[in-house]
Amino acid sequence: ETGVTQTPRHLVMGMTNKKSLKCEQHLGHNAMYWYKQSAKKPLELMFVYSLEERVENNSVPSRFSPECPNSSHLFLHLHTLQPEDSALYLCASSQSFRGEQYFGPGTRLTVT
Amino acid sequence: SQQGEEDPQALSIQEGENATMNCSYKTSINNLQWYRQNSGRGLVHLILIRSNEREKHSGRLRVTLDTSKKSSSLLITASRAADTASYFCATALFMETSGSRLTFGEGTQLTVNP
Repeated sequence: ETGVTQTPRHLVMGMTNKKSLKCEQHLGHNAMYWYKQSAKKPLELMFVYSLEERVENNSVPSRFSPECPNSSHLFLHLHTLQPEDSALYLCASSQSFRGEQYFGPGTRLTVT
Repeated sequence: SQQGEEDPQALSIQEGENATMNCSYKTSINNLQWYRQNSGRGLVHLILIRSNEREKHSGRLRVTLDTSKKSSSLLITASRAADTASYFCATALFMETSGSRLTFGEGTQLTVNP
């Protein structure tokens, strides 16, 4: 266990659904991240939060909406997704931006 | 241009052999990190090497960094079947506006046959 948990582990949703992914870290870290991992592509950084403030948004479509209510929790709200959004969504946290990141197990999302 | 390109894309060896994976990158970095990922799971941090370091060891892992060639290698000695996984290098680059960010390569799929 890395100290970062993600729920749900698997999610199947239609294109008109609204769902949320949850991430929680128990490590006392200051930074949290959302990544998208698609088959045969490098890990893509989506959002970065530092002390609950979003510091980076990598041109992610607005159908993905992050929320960081406190330094331990991170959400990714999903609505009107497309089939190409099917991927493994990984959450990570770190003590500092330069240090190692601790990843959750991921949510396998399938959009039908 | 893409940071952190691993080579080879796939590597298959026998248990007990050594496995070497390489990573090349294009810009200046603060540090370079190696991660491991078992199929469909999250990434696990293995080792971090700073830009002023040339070599680092951790158990059966040995990492080298050559900043003049912008390359790094990960050596796993005396491999085991349990080492079967994807291995990623990630470069940490300091950004003035948003601190450091990690950029991951596509990974090397290592298969260790018993």
